[in-house]
Amino acid sequence: EPEVTQTPSHQVTQMGQEVILRCVPISNHLYFYWYRQILGQKVEFLVSFYNNEISEKSEIFDDQFSVERPDGSNFTLKIRSTKLEDSAMYFCASSIAPAGELFFGEGSRLTVL
Amino acid sequence: QKEVEQNSGPLSVPEGAIASLNCTYSDRGSQSFFWYRQYSGKSPELIMFIYSNGDKEDGRFTAQLNKASQYVSLLIRDSQPSDSATYLCAVNAGGSYIPTFGRGTSLIVHP
Repeated sequence: EPEVTQTPSHQVTQMGQEVILRCVPISNHLYFYWYRQILGQKVEFLVSFYNNEISEKSEIFDDQFSVERPDGSNFTLKIRSTKLEDSAMYFCASSIAPAGELFFGEGSRLTVL
Repeated sequence: QKEVEQNSGPLSVPEGAIASLNCTYSDRGSQSFFWYRQYSGKSPELIMFIYSNGDKEDGRFTAQLNKASQYVSLLIRDSQPSDSATYLCAVNAGGSYIPTFGRGTSLIVHP
């Protein structure tokens, strides 16, 4: 069964460092998303991506964040200068159609020290 | 501001009982409604989606949507200990295909 894969599963970094989280969406999906979930809190939308550009982004997705689809398979989230409050589980998701079911990856846990 | 509200629980039910999970949403123009299950430390996985008023059944799960009252519910029949998880309600507001998630309701099914 096709699945969304994410790497790394866990990353520990120092405050101020750059982090890149990687995702391989399901191959025939066209819509890609990043969500995050701070421990004990709800799943929060960060950004959506379609046709090689950002389609929507939340207030959380400020200038410290960027997304890229560098090739035909990978979808990355970059945090330029991490802060303590960026510590969270980051989920990549993809869907075959807008407003359809999201398929989530297993997540990348980011710990900022 | 699009709000999706859920009682955080925990909701505790005995094995074999019906678990009823509720969700309300603020945007009257919302079009698509989803229930996801999230086990501790894992990612959300879709259980059901519903677009039209009324009931939709899939095995032991029934989703109920009432757009006039702006609520959506999930019933789990014959609850099993393996159903113990957090259940997330997600709603696509009108004009957006981005699901907004509620905080989730923790369900505990005890033997």
